[in-house]
Amino acid sequence: KAGVTQTPRYLIKTRGQQVTLSCSPISGHRSVSWYQQTPGQGLQFLFEYFSETQRNKGNFPGRFSGRQFSNSRSEMNVSTLELGDSALYLCASRAYSNQPQHFGDGTRLSIL
Amino acid sequence: GENVEQHPSTLSVQEGDSAVIKCTYSDSASNYFPWYKQELGKRPQLIIDIRSNVGEKKDQRIAVTLNKTAKHFSLHITETQPEDSAVYFCAASGGTGNQFYFGTGTSLTVIP
Repeated sequence: KAGVTQTPRYLIKTRGQQVTLSCSPISGHRSVSWYQQTPGQGLQFLFEYFSETQRNKGNFPGRFSGRQFSNSRSEMNVSTLELGDSALYLCASRAYSNQPQHFGDGTRLSIL
Repeated sequence: GENVEQHPSTLSVQEGDSAVIKCTYSDSASNYFPWYKQELGKRPQLIIDIRSNVGEKKDQRIAVTLNKTAKHFSLHITETQPEDSAVYFCAASGGTGNQFYFGTGTSLTVIP
């Protein structure tokens, strides 16, 4: 079974631009969560989607948004990029509640 | 919502010694507790998990214990090796919204 796939692996943007990150979950997994990780920091929860509906949301500004498609693939969008948005963005999928999340390799976003 | 606290934030042990990382949670409805290991530059990977109907689980040199009454769970690594050096995250799930709540991480260094 293929793992969680995130694209692209690396992105360089400038302040004010917007960016879209993609995540393909493990086949059969309907839940996709997104996390932001900065150097030396933990996993900051952005949001979780289940069957195309946002089920949970973290404490991030409205510039961060997401969506999930009928095939469970998910995208995350960040608008009006700021220098502080530079981070590793991780996606994780799981089959059902109380099942482990499986992480992708992440997208490393750098803002210049 | 749930609040997961993790201690210590950093831990150094001599090779061959044991390491213990502790987490507490606040939501008594949480019933699933996974542990993840994140090596430098890599994705977090599930190493062991425990459900609330079990008090202890062991997998070779790794064990997890759960005390539901006190709302805390711990990761135990015996006979540590240099390759155990990584950041370890605990998590709790199954409570409100079934969201995953992660601890802040423990950076473990095993000194050869």
